[in-house]
Amino acid sequence: EDQVTQSPEALRLQEGESSSLNCSYTVSGLRGLFWYRQDPGKGPEFLFTLYSAGEEKEKERLKATLTKKESFLHITAPKPEDSATYLCAVRVGNEKLTFGTGTRLTIIP
Amino acid sequence: EAGVAQSPRYKIIEKRQSVAFWCNPISGHATLYWYQQILGQGPKLLIQFQNNGVVDDSQLPKDRFSAERLKGVDSTLKIQPAKLEDSAVYLCASSFQANTGELFFGEGSRLTVL
Repeated sequence: EDQVTQSPEALRLQEGESSSLNCSYTVSGLRGLFWYRQDPGKGPEFLFTLYSAGEEKEKERLKATLTKKESFLHITAPKPEDSATYLCAVRVGNEKLTFGTGTRLTIIP
Repeated sequence: EAGVAQSPRYKIIEKRQSVAFWCNPISGHATLYWYQQILGQGPKLLIQFQNNGVVDDSQLPKDRFSAERLKGVDSTLKIQPAKLEDSAVYLCASSFQANTGELFFGEGSRLTVL
């Protein structure tokens, strides 16, 4: 069965303290890995798509990278408004998206 | 551009009662999804429509859940009878095409079953 595991479950950082979130997957035939941001009481918001190992995408203070077994979401010099739950999801073939359980990120001013 | 609209935002019912959720996707989006998100978990796909046809309903508990997308636009998800374990946020999403990971989600409908 396809598995998506995110770590850590929760992360508290001081404002400006850079770190990384991890998404590891055990699937065969990956057709894309996707990162979403979810604020409390809201639906997930799409951030990035990664298709192949070595690919990187950036948006403001976020950078997503992909290897053959995992993806990292690097956050550089975070601000309090970056606080949210970050979800990753994978697609195998034409199958549905399988989401991880997310990392709850809190940035302390 | 208007986003995905969902209603109601909140619903509290007793177990064995019924409930219905409504979704209006982004204009022009042919694919519509219903996800269930239990507290502390990631969203789980219940059903996917392409226009008004069902693409995937493999994880929909068909003995109590039903969904329709008449005319290929709005959709309704119904639960009858509800169980305690159905307490969750029901998220509707849409996308311009199928087989994409870029989904646009609504704010969700939070269901509490007592």
